[in-house]
This record gives sequence, C-alpha cells and structure tokens, in this order.
Amino acid sequence: QQQVKQSPQSLIVQKGGISIINCAYENTAFDYFPWYQQFPGKGPALLIAIRPDVSEKKEGRFTISFNKSAKQFSLHIMDSQPGDSATYFCAATYTGFQKLVFGTGTRLLVSP
Amino acid sequence: DAGVIQSPRHEVTEMGQEVTLRCKPISGHNSLFWYRQTMMRGLELLIYFNNNVPIDDSGMPEDRFSAKMPNASFSTLKIQPSEPRDSAVYFCASSLRAGDTEAFFGQGTRLTVV
Repeated sequence: QQQVKQSPQSLIVQKGGISIINCAYENTAFDYFPWYQQFPGKGPALLIAIRPDVSEKKEGRFTISFNKSAKQFSLHIMDSQPGDSATYFCAATYTGFQKLVFGTGTRLLVSP
Repeated sequence: DAGVIQSPRHEVTEMGQEVTLRCKPISGHNSLFWYRQTMMRGLELLIYFNNNVPIDDSGMPEDRFSAKMPNASFSTLKIQPSEPRDSAVYFCASSLRAGDTEAFFGQGTRLTVV
C-alpha cells in the first residue's frame, strides 16, 4: 500500500512537444506529492510538488495535475527542451511520516 | 552553501572487503537519509536520522549494513563484508527538520563490488 506506481519507464519526445509522466498511489493518507528531477551523475532534486487541496499546480513549463478520486497525479512538461532530458521520479508522503516513497522513475529523452 | 557532500564519488572494491561511505549534510539540517539506487529497485530508503538519532532502519537490507551519525555534520554508511549485489549508487540526503517534505540530495557514491 506504500507503493507509488510510475509510467512510462522511458519516454522520447520531440523538442517542443509535451512530455507526460503518470503516477498512481494506494495510500489515501498521502498528502504531499513531489516530483524530483535527476540528471546523469547527479542526485535527484526537487522540481515541483503539490498537495491534494488543489487539482493543478504550474511552475513555468512544468505542471502537476492531481486527481484525488482516482489517486493519480501526473507531470506535464510543456514545450519540452533537450535540457529537460533527465530521469523524473514521482514520490509521495504524508505529514509526520517523513519518508518519501518514490516511483521507479521515467527516463525522458527530448530529441532536438 | 555547498549542499550535501558525499565521498568518495566512486568506489571499486573486492567482494568481502569493508566499504565506508561518507556524508556531510547541509549545515543546520537536522534530518539525514541514506538511499540506494539501482536499475531494478529504483530509489530505496535505507535509514534516516533525526538530530543524529537513527529513527528508522527498516530499509537496511541486512546486518552487513550499518550507519552512524556521530555528530550533526557527519554520517557514515558501512558495508562489511561487501558483496557484488551491493553494487549501486548510494545517496545521502538531508532536510531542515524532522517532518520536512523536501530532501536535498548529494551527488551520490557509485559503488562497484567485484
């Protein structure tokens, strides 16, 4: 029940296109859903996060969409750029739990 | 701010040898996490500390793994004896306080056990 399922495992998008990565969870206690971005040879870094009191959060070209009833959330990267090529991890946790439960990651390649 | 500092960046060791990975969290951060990343299992939380005290080590795979945090600015993850299946990237992360949702990761230590 602590799992977060992420798809797809890998994704190739043309420059300027929209990248979409999906995650699903089971534990209804989760109340914080961050996305982490990891470049090769680097540690993951927080990209954007959402709490379930809103259905969408946008920061620049990055948007999280959240569907509480379906227990799903997704990351949309608009106007994808080659510099966005990285591995993206969704995660979930709840207040007081402190552990981040990570998805398995999506390797995104944006072709020039 | 230098961020979370891990050493070494790369470690190659022979099976059976002891391996020690080191981490310096961000100054002022009170929570520290050790993660392991593999292709098969993704990012796994091994253990975390609050105020230098181990809180949850349920992710530590076996007794061969141990972690210490003798003070607020230093932590070690030790594997003794090491095995080829321990080959992975090990990340240390820190957060400002217990219960904080954002973790700041180091660059990781790539461990290869041959």
